[in-house]
Amino acid sequence: AQTVTQSQPEMSVQEAETVTLSCTYDTSESDYYLFWYKQPPSRQMILVIRQEAYKQQNATENRFSVNFQKAAKSFSLKISDSQLGDAAMYFCAYRSARAGANSKLTFGKGITLSVRP
Amino acid sequence: GAGVSQSPSNKVTEKGKDVELRCDPISGHTALYWYRQSLGQGLEFLIYFQGNSAPDKSGLPSDRFSAERTGGSVSTLTIQRTQQEDSAVYLCASSSARLGYHTEAFFGQGTRLTVV
Repeated sequence: AQTVTQSQPEMSVQEAETVTLSCTYDTSESDYYLFWYKQPPSRQMILVIRQEAYKQQNATENRFSVNFQKAAKSFSLKISDSQLGDAAMYFCAYRSARAGANSKLTFGKGITLSVRP
Repeated sequence: GAGVSQSPSNKVTEKGKDVELRCDPISGHTALYWYRQSLGQGLEFLIYFQGNSAPDKSGLPSDRFSAERTGGSVSTLTIQRTQQEDSAVYLCASSSARLGYHTEAFFGQGTRLTVV
């Protein structure tokens, strides 16, 4: 079974600074996806960024980028130029990429990010 | 619809009563998932539907929990004889599948269930 671990329950960052959120995972599969989701107080989970395990290049979406270390099973999220609107809970998640596999997501416990003005 | 819709948004119920939570997925999405988010916890998988069948119900915590999906669309999660530990946010998500591969899952805003 796959597991996802987010060991930091809370982090804080100054507006306009950079922050890195950590995530590790465990799997015996070689083909999978990793995700970071943002959950603001509205409760709606919003996809921030996605990484395919077969791609060596780290995914980037505007101010958001990941550091994917497959051998170490590490998947951290870097938020650059932090904005007040980035304050939310962030969840790391895993999904198998095997064709026909159950496409359920396995989530970490999340991290609460606060942004100081 | 434009997104995944869940109702009610909030539900307060008395211990021992039954509740039904509804999820209306994105039109055309064949896969539907229910997750539970308890305070301080991550999202816990409950059940996965592909069409109207549920190939994975391994996350349902007890036989008080059941779910169904009709017409390959709307799904209902039913909790019988609710207990205080059932208090949580119940999130629904849907995704489409082509040739066995699934796209991103899109989430609804969840139903916050409070058992008093």
